[in-house]
Amino acid sequence: DAKTTQPPSMDCAEGRAANLPCNHSTISGNEYVYWYRQIHSQGPQYIIHGLKNNETNEMASLIITEDRKSSTLILPHATLRDTAVYYCIVRVAGGGNKLTFGTGTQLKVEL
Amino acid sequence: GAVVSQHPSRVICKSGTSVKIECRSLDFQATTMFWYRQFPKQSLMLMATSNEGSKATYEQGVEKDKFLINHASLTLSTLTVTSAHPEDSSFYICSAPLGGASNSPLHFGNGTRLTVT
Repeated sequence: DAKTTQPPSMDCAEGRAANLPCNHSTISGNEYVYWYRQIHSQGPQYIIHGLKNNETNEMASLIITEDRKSSTLILPHATLRDTAVYYCIVRVAGGGNKLTFGTGTQLKVEL
Repeated sequence: GAVVSQHPSRVICKSGTSVKIECRSLDFQATTMFWYRQFPKQSLMLMATSNEGSKATYEQGVEKDKFLINHASLTLSTLTVTSAHPEDSSFYICSAPLGGASNSPLHFGNGTRLTVT
């Protein structure tokens, strides 16, 4: 599975949009981009995933560049409860479903 | 609500004893489940893939005789840490794919905090 690169930490003001970038320049055509987050001492929570089209759900939006080498997770109105480590993971479909976690981005939402 | 349930959430045991952790898929069947381990301030590391009806597949460096996995049914996988030692103290997390598609996302339990004294 392709490796990803994320900034180690980011800060965001409550109520503002949080834009979390992820670089996956070696992604191949059949690899999906998944986003998870982990709040302290809990299991990871699935947020969203996509292949090449932008995706939106009740939690977030996922913007994937046309060349698929990078993506951005957008939390439109961040709250204090969104403070967590956010993981961007790429995985090939049919790869046994398992996910390989990197170090992620620690997002801190502040007043 | 939660789709993967893990029990217990916390356990403290003495060195040399064994501990069993259960992972259940709620309202869906999972022929495959995954067990992860997370040490403080580190990311999740995959330990093994649990397969219903067959042997688990372990990642390199994970001792299969120490971490026994049994996928007893389509909704239950158990991880037994045998002869636990203080260095086995960690956060153990299970997961299962929700949906039959090859790109189905994994859903995770809330983890088990194991402390070996």
